Amino acid sequence: GQNIDQPTEMTATEGAIVQINCTYQTSGFNGLFWYQQHAGEAPTFLSYNVLDGLEEKGRFSSFLSRSKGYSYLLLKELQMKDSASYLCAVRGGPSGNTGKLIFGQGTTLQVKP
Amino acid sequence: GAVVSQHPSWVICKSGTSVKIECRSLDFQATTMFWYRQFPKQSLMLMATSNEGSKATYEQGVEKDKFLINHASLTLSTLTVTSAHPEDSSFYICSARGLRRNQRTDTQYFGPGTRLTVL
Repeated sequence: GQNIDQPTEMTATEGAIVQINCTYQTSGFNGLFWYQQHAGEAPTFLSYNVLDGLEEKGRFSSFLSRSKGYSYLLLKELQMKDSASYLCAVRGGPSGNTGKLIFGQGTTLQVKP
Repeated sequence: GAVVSQHPSWVICKSGTSVKIECRSLDFQATTMFWYRQFPKQSLMLMATSNEGSKATYEQGVEKDKFLINHASLTLSTLTVTSAHPEDSSFYICSARGLRRNQRTDTQYFGPGTRLTVL
């Protein structure tokens, strides 16, 4: 079956670093995405990993290990505006097909002063 | 700026009426468009996948006669909720997959969502 797990909630302090983990078991793999979603808004794209390793983009980094079915999103220098839900999504199936995204339940991150 | 637009952003309608939601990719041709529904404090649930010029593929449990999807062009898809009822009230989000200029891989971008309230 298809399964994506991430923690439901996390709390961190402004200025700190937080790591949000995601483990997945899917039939086929064609990339892993991280999205940020503020309450009442649509998700916004943060990062995409298809090969093992770390992708860095400003304060956000995402890591992938395909052999372990594991990814994490690292947020540095946390700001209050980073309080949001973070969605891990896996694109299943081989490259070239529609590759629908399978979403985890999302991790609600609360940043405190 | 926005990559995918969605219209309307919110709509309130009476039970039994139909509502059409438009989704457009603004600066790229979307090979595939997806329609999701999200209930409060829940994750996104994929409703259907559509490719331009062909019939949509619906997820299990989604009524294709109730949620009509038309993918008229590589930049436009519409979702029509027919004979809407209060239980259809939800946040509907479209997503477009494609390769934007200067990007090295295709990515899926979301529209801003449409909040539907059926009275």
